[in-house]
Amino acid sequence: DAGVIQSPRHEVTEMGQEVTLRCKPISGHDYLFWYRQTMMRGLELLIYFNNNVPIDDSGMPEDRFSAKMPNASFSTLKIQPSEPRDSAVYFCASSTVADTQYFGPGTRLTVL
Amino acid sequence: GENVEQHPSTLSVQEGDSAVIKCTYSDSASNYFPWYKQELGKRPQLIIDIRSNVGEKKDQRIAVTLNKTAKHFSLHITETQPEDSAVYFCAASPNSGYALNFGKGTSLLVTP
Repeated sequence: DAGVIQSPRHEVTEMGQEVTLRCKPISGHDYLFWYRQTMMRGLELLIYFNNNVPIDDSGMPEDRFSAKMPNASFSTLKIQPSEPRDSAVYFCASSTVADTQYFGPGTRLTVL
Repeated sequence: GENVEQHPSTLSVQEGDSAVIKCTYSDSASNYFPWYKQELGKRPQLIIDIRSNVGEKKDQRIAVTLNKTAKHFSLHITETQPEDSAVYFCAASPNSGYALNFGKGTSLLVTP
């Protein structure tokens, strides 16, 4: 298995632009998590899905952030409009109910 | 919600010495406690985990202990090596399939 796949690996954009991050979980995993990592705040959960349904989005910072999981093999995290304070590494992770959470390689987002 | 505190934030040891990282948690419903290692620029990777029905677990040079009454758990690394240098995160969750609440991380430096 290729593991959790994320794209792009790096994204540089200007303030106000829309950003879309993508994630493909490990096949057979029915939980998918989006985390954000910054030096100041550490690893923060943004949202997670079970069987493609959002379970907890209380970590989504504000309405500029949205996430979808249209099927079991794909999820997106969208920021519109982006702001410099959104600069961070965004990780996607997946798991089954009784297994380890496996992290993807992350997307390093820089908003200028 | 769950609050996970991790100490120390930085730790420097000489090669061959032991390193101990401690975490406390607030939610008595938590019963799954993984530890992740994150090397610079890489994804967090699970190194060991423990569930609440076990007090201690060991894997070669790494061990984790759990005290559910006191709500704290610790990571012990013996005979440290330079390649152990990384940031270590503890986490707590009601189950391995649920979102993880991470500590802020401990930056471990092992000097030759």
